[in-house]
Amino acid sequence: KAGVTQTPRYLIKTRGQQVTLSCSPISGHRSVSWYQQTPGQGLQFLFEYFSETQRNKGNFPGRFSGRQFSNSRSEMNVSTLELGDSALYLCASSPMTTQETQYFGPGTRLLVL
Amino acid sequence: ILNVEQSPQSLHVQEGDSTNFTCSFPSSNFYALHWYRWETAKSPEALFVMTLNGDEKKKGRISATLNTKEGYSYLYIKGSQPEDSATYLCASFYSNYQLIWGAGTKLIIKP
Repeated sequence: KAGVTQTPRYLIKTRGQQVTLSCSPISGHRSVSWYQQTPGQGLQFLFEYFSETQRNKGNFPGRFSGRQFSNSRSEMNVSTLELGDSALYLCASSPMTTQETQYFGPGTRLLVL
Repeated sequence: ILNVEQSPQSLHVQEGDSTNFTCSFPSSNFYALHWYRWETAKSPEALFVMTLNGDEKKKGRISATLNTKEGYSYLYIKGSQPEDSATYLCASFYSNYQLIWGAGTKLIIKP
């Protein structure tokens, strides 16, 4: 079975721009979660999607949004980028809920200049 | 606000020594406890998912225990090897479908 894939792997943007990141979960997995990791910080939970609905949301500003498609693929969007948004963005999938083992993708490294 | 705490924050261990660290979590409405290993330049990888009080899981030289009544889990590594150097994360799952992550314990094995 193919693992979780994320595109793009690396991205450079400038302040004020917006960005869309994509995550394809393991086939058959319906829960997709997004995380942010900045230097010196652990995993910060952004949101979780299940069956095209946001089931949980972390403590991030409204500039961070996401969606999930009927094939369980998910996208994350950050609008009006700030320097502090520079981070590694990880997505993880699991069959139904985050109670189950999370399988992580390789991440997208975003640099905001 | 639910808070999962891990201690210590970092740990230096001599190769060959055994070590352990702690994950503390709120026990109310608890459903499951996860442990992950996160090596530099890689993605987090699952070690264990435990649900029942008294659960013990083992994978090679790594084992974990769970106490759901008092809200803690221990991760043990026996005979540490350089490849064990990583950040170890725990996360606790609750009835409201929230998975709350600790900040991790960074383990450095000294040869």
